[in-house]
Amino acid sequence: AQTVTQSQPEMSVQEAETVTLSCTYDTSESDYYLFWYKQPPSRQMILVIRQEAYKQQNATENRFSVNFQKAAKSFSLKISDSQLGDAAMYFCAYLSGAGSYQLTFGKGTKLSVIP
Amino acid sequence: NAGVTQTPKFRILKIGQSMTLQCAQDMNHNYMYWYRQDPGMGLKLIYYSVGAGITDKGEVPNGYNVSRSTTEDFPLRLELAAPSQTSVYFCASSYPPGQRYEQYFGPGTRLTVT
Repeated sequence: AQTVTQSQPEMSVQEAETVTLSCTYDTSESDYYLFWYKQPPSRQMILVIRQEAYKQQNATENRFSVNFQKAAKSFSLKISDSQLGDAAMYFCAYLSGAGSYQLTFGKGTKLSVIP
Repeated sequence: NAGVTQTPKFRILKIGQSMTLQCAQDMNHNYMYWYRQDPGMGLKLIYYSVGAGITDKGEVPNGYNVSRSTTEDFPLRLELAAPSQTSVYFCASSYPPGQRYEQYFGPGTRLTVT
């Protein structure tokens, strides 16, 4: 079974600065997808960014980018120019490409943004 | 386009009671999912469905039942509620896994069993 580990329960960043959230995963598969979801206090799960394992290029969505290291099984999220609205729980998630429909989530990292 | 909707938003149950959590989506997604989120944890899959009439167990199915009679609706049934079922429940939907794959989540239902 796949596992997803987020080793930072809490992080903080100064407004306008850059922060990196860590995620590692364990799998024997070569075909899979990785995601970062944001969960603000409203509880709504919001997709931040996705990465297909077959793509070598790191995904980018505006201020959000990932550092995908397939050999190291690492998938970190970088938030640039942090804003107050970025404060939330961030969850890393894994989806097998082999027909399993289960998203496996890490335990999350609580990000605080300091004005 | 409302996306994924869930009712109710909050519910308190007594031990042994039963209830149905409702979930509907208007995006014509074939795939639907039920997750639970316990405090300080990520989401865990309870059940999923790949189309009307087809359901299967996820990681934590015990104590729950589902049915899928239409593409739009995917209710989750709790029989004989137990305190261990106190959690936040999320419904989600998607197209089949592939490029640009994304699960769209509802707003969640906070359930307390006392």
